[in-house]
Amino acid sequence: SQTIHQWPATLVQPVGSPLSLECTVEGTSNPNLYWYRQAAGRGLQLLFYSVGIGQISSEVPQNLSASRPQDRQFILSSKKLLLSDSGFYLCAWSRSRRGSPLHFGNGTRLTVT
Amino acid sequence: KNEVEQSPQNLTAQEGEFITINCSYSVGISALHWLQQHPGGGIVSLFMLSSGKKKHGRLIATINIQEKHSSLHITASHPRDSAVYICAPGTDKLIFGTGTRLQVFP
Repeated sequence: SQTIHQWPATLVQPVGSPLSLECTVEGTSNPNLYWYRQAAGRGLQLLFYSVGIGQISSEVPQNLSASRPQDRQFILSSKKLLLSDSGFYLCAWSRSRRGSPLHFGNGTRLTVT
Repeated sequence: KNEVEQSPQNLTAQEGEFITINCSYSVGISALHWLQQHPGGGIVSLFMLSSGKKKHGRLIATINIQEKHSSLHITASHPRDSAVYICAPGTDKLIFGTGTRLQVFP
């Protein structure tokens, strides 16, 4: 069976510090991978998605970047965090076949102070 | 106008009640997800459907693609059903509703 791991679960970082959130998927190959963010009191928003190694599409301009160094690894990064980067970050995967459902990780709650 | 409208935004119920959450959307899509988010934040995909009706335990989801409307029903609601339910049109790159906060009291 497939599983998705996302860490850390919670993170408190000062403004201006770097960020690295990691997500890995097991039990499948060549998944589509996604990073979503839920800001406080707001709905979820797609940040990045990837259909393959090194292939990253950004949905919204922002202070964050994503990378996919391996088939089942998706990393969300920032060089210098802003207060507005605080939120709940969710990694998700789906099979590359069109119409496949999404499966979510448990999320990372990031607080930038 | 939001692309996804859910109603109601908040819902309280007594254990055992039948629950309905509605979702209307304006985007053209071929499928729609219903998601459940618990207080800790974790999200579980309950359904992905593109037509008709799907049933899983006490949960039933319906969709009318032509009318751009979907509903989530919970039969015999239970306190453990308390969560935020999110309608998300799309197959992979989803557009999210703001959710319906459901509280079921014993």
